[in-house]
Amino acid sequence: EPEVTQTPSHQVTQMGQEVILRCVPISNHLYFYWYRQILGQKVEFLVSFYNNEISEKSEIFDDQFSVERPDGSNFTLKIRSTKLEDSAMYFCASRGPGTTAVRNEKLFFGSGTQLSVL
Amino acid sequence: DAKTTQPPSMDCAEGRAANLPCNHSTISGNEYVYWYRQIHSQGPQYIIHGLKNNETNEMASLIITEDRKSSTLILPHATLRDTAVYYCIAGSNDYKLSFGAGTTVTVRA
Repeated sequence: EPEVTQTPSHQVTQMGQEVILRCVPISNHLYFYWYRQILGQKVEFLVSFYNNEISEKSEIFDDQFSVERPDGSNFTLKIRSTKLEDSAMYFCASRGPGTTAVRNEKLFFGSGTQLSVL
Repeated sequence: DAKTTQPPSMDCAEGRAANLPCNHSTISGNEYVYWYRQIHSQGPQYIIHGLKNNETNEMASLIITEDRKSSTLILPHATLRDTAVYYCIAGSNDYKLSFGAGTTVTVRA
């Protein structure tokens, strides 16, 4: 089965530093997402992205966060100035376009990047 | 998205069917019921979804009550690899999935 690939698997950074989390969605997918999960807590939606722009974002996704699809394969999440509370597992997800008759409901998630802010 | 209620945990014997209930009494007419699972902090994995009709795929079956206020996910022959947290999500928004606490399913040999 095709996979969403995320790198790195672990990222350690100092508070205030910028980090970029990288994702390679499945090749024919058009819709892209970031979710995060703080240790022991629920999986939370951050942002959805389609046609090179943000479709929707949550309250968590403030001005410190940005997303980009710099080329035809990568999808990145940037945190400009990390805070201790940004420590979490970050999941990238993607889905295909479906057809005009049938929505494609299946969201594929990557294995995540564990971000630790010290 | 409609709120969903799931039992916090359940055990299941290997080889037996696991029936996971979910209550979504406030679900609206255009909201689907999605099931995902998360194995040991890996990324969530799609299992199945439905709107009104019962659905079956290679992983599971989804039974939705006629009034759509509740549903049951059935894993027909549970294996040890099915041990995971199972999430029932009701929503129609563009995949802004609202994960709750889910049901921790432990399959025992």
